[in-house]
Parts: sequence; structure tokens; C-alpha cells
Amino acid sequence: QVQLQQSGAELTKPGSSVKISCKASGYTFTSYDISWIKQRPGQALEWIGAINPGSGGTGYNEKFKGKATLTVDKSSSTAFMQLSSLTPEDTAVYYCARKDYWGQGVMVTVSS
Amino acid sequence: DVVLTQTPVAQPVTLGDQASISCRSSQSLVHSNGNTYLEWYLQKPGQSPQLLIYKVSNRFSGVPDRFIGSGSGSDFTLKISRVEPEDLGVYYCFQATHDPWTFGGGTKLELK
Repeated sequence: QVQLQQSGAELTKPGSSVKISCKASGYTFTSYDISWIKQRPGQALEWIGAINPGSGGTGYNEKFKGKATLTVDKSSSTAFMQLSSLTPEDTAVYYCARKDYWGQGVMVTVSS
Repeated sequence: DVVLTQTPVAQPVTLGDQASISCRSSQSLVHSNGNTYLEWYLQKPGQSPQLLIYKVSNRFSGVPDRFIGSGSGSDFTLKISRVEPEDLGVYYCFQATHDPWTFGGGTKLELK
């Protein structure tokens, strides 16, 4: 069955970077775009961007350009999102999704 | 960016009632290829969002037929007939016609 398994929770300091992963299984990884979505506590969902695992082509929400970098490793069927120059406003749950299937989410906490 | 406005923000219901959620877009969601990429998601408490409806009115695999999506252009509706306990949570509309893709603010379906 299709699964997107995300890495564990992160506690990190302002100004640092974090890289979270999303391992796909149960389907051909290169056949579906992977999107990344942000959800701050008690807030609505925000689309960060998407990557085509086959070509590596990316599309970003302008708001997250410079903040998020999307990559993939086809050999391990894993998508990655690096978040840089972290601030407390980056504290959120981050989901990867194939639209019809979603990862379980990763809680990233930015605190000094 | 396309703004999706959902109403109401909260919908108190009695089990067995019908519920209706509106999603209005700041511009038409008809893509140049003729498709309308308007989706509906349900996020149950403590869970990742799950896809219910894609391209306005198509139910995703396994979604009960009491969920009905309709609309066109910039005006869309999700109707849930005979609300059941597992239908409670926050509903989001989402558009993937225009970059950046965007979510509505959410509608919480809750018990009266």
C-alpha cells in the first residue's frame, strides 16, 4: 500500500537549518509529484511547494523561496525539505503529500 | 495569489443532519486545459488531512457517497448528507489551478 513515512520531530534553535525527509513506498516514486505543506498550531494549511521526483523540477510558493529547498533521492525513494534561517514563525507541523496520500507530519519547533 | 474563502468558519451539526460548506475563489479556477483543480480535504483531530474530492466533484477511492462536491468557475460547495461521527473535523478546499496553489481557511464541522 502507498505510504509516505516522514522523519521524526525536530527541536532546533533560531538561525539554524533543518532537513526533514519523506520516504515513499508502495508505488513508483518518480510517477507522482510530492508537495510540502506547513501547518502552524491551530492554523490552516499552507502550500510550500512541490517537486517532480522524476525530473527534479520544483515549484515554490513565492512566500517560501529562500526558506525551503526541495530535493529528492531517487535511489531511496525519499523526498527532502531543508528549511533555513529558522525563526519561531517556522514552528509548525510539516507534511509531505502525494495529494491522495499524506505523510504523518513532522513537528519542527524553533526555540532558543 | 488566489484567495479561497470558506464559509461558515464553524458548522455545528446534529448527527444525521445535512451540512453544507462553501468555498469561493478570488478568481476562476478553470485551467487553460479546461479542467478545474478544486479539491476538498478533511483533517480529523490529531491526523493528517485526507483527500475527499478532486476536480470539483470526483470522490476519491473509498469516500462515501454522502460527500457531494459541486460548483463551477469560482463558486464551490461540499455537501455532507446524514453526518456521521467520523465526519467531524476541519474541512479545507484547495486549488491547484493557479500558482501558488492555495488552501481555504478551513471549516470546522462540530457537534451542536
